[in-house]
Amino acid sequence: DQQVKQNSPSLSVQEGRISILNCDYTNSMFDYFLWYKKYPAEGPTFLISISSIKDKNEDGRFTVFLNKSAKHLSLHIVPSQPGDSAVYFCAARGPGTYKYIFGTGTRLKVLA
Amino acid sequence: NAGVTQTPKFQVLKTGQSMTLQCAQDMNHNSMYWYRQDPGMGLRLIYYSASEGTTDKGEVPNGYNVSRLNKREFSLRLESAAPSQTSVYFCASSEAPADRYTFGSGTRLTVV
Repeated sequence: DQQVKQNSPSLSVQEGRISILNCDYTNSMFDYFLWYKKYPAEGPTFLISISSIKDKNEDGRFTVFLNKSAKHLSLHIVPSQPGDSAVYFCAARGPGTYKYIFGTGTRLKVLA
Repeated sequence: NAGVTQTPKFQVLKTGQSMTLQCAQDMNHNSMYWYRQDPGMGLRLIYYSASEGTTDKGEVPNGYNVSRLNKREFSLRLESAAPSQTSVYFCASSEAPADRYTFGSGTRLTVV
């Protein structure tokens, strides 16, 4: 059973607009969340994180929002750029565990 | 700044053959991980090593063995390859067990 779900396999957005990538999780014990970006033929690279004690974290054009009651997090990219075209993975872990559970990924295409 | 280096990048095996995937990191990280990525499945943890001298099973350990040779190196061995092990394999490392990961660029393995 998939504990971390990214229900949109793909998303297309115009350059300059907002991209919103969503992630849902089922385990209420998860307390730390990460987003990774992956280009073809490369490994995932860390993008942004959020702890369960926060509901928002920003880093430049990237903002992650966490809604614990809904067990939902989202990544906002504003403004979107063609170089943002990649696969985005969310990942979650629970307290006292070393293991991150990854979602299946969303492929973002930013159209110039 | 090499980060995490994986070899080989590509490999084709026949069913029943064995091989070892190599991984080395130069960031003095304590923890290392092996993941596999399959279409529609996200990244799934095979084995991890929280620190030098320790290894533990992840979500999908069957058919694999690992060796934490020293602090830098963490290898993944397939003793008798099966077509179900066709996948892209990623090695990752982190400074501490629950920290964000740095990933290698992956090994694309095909078992025929």
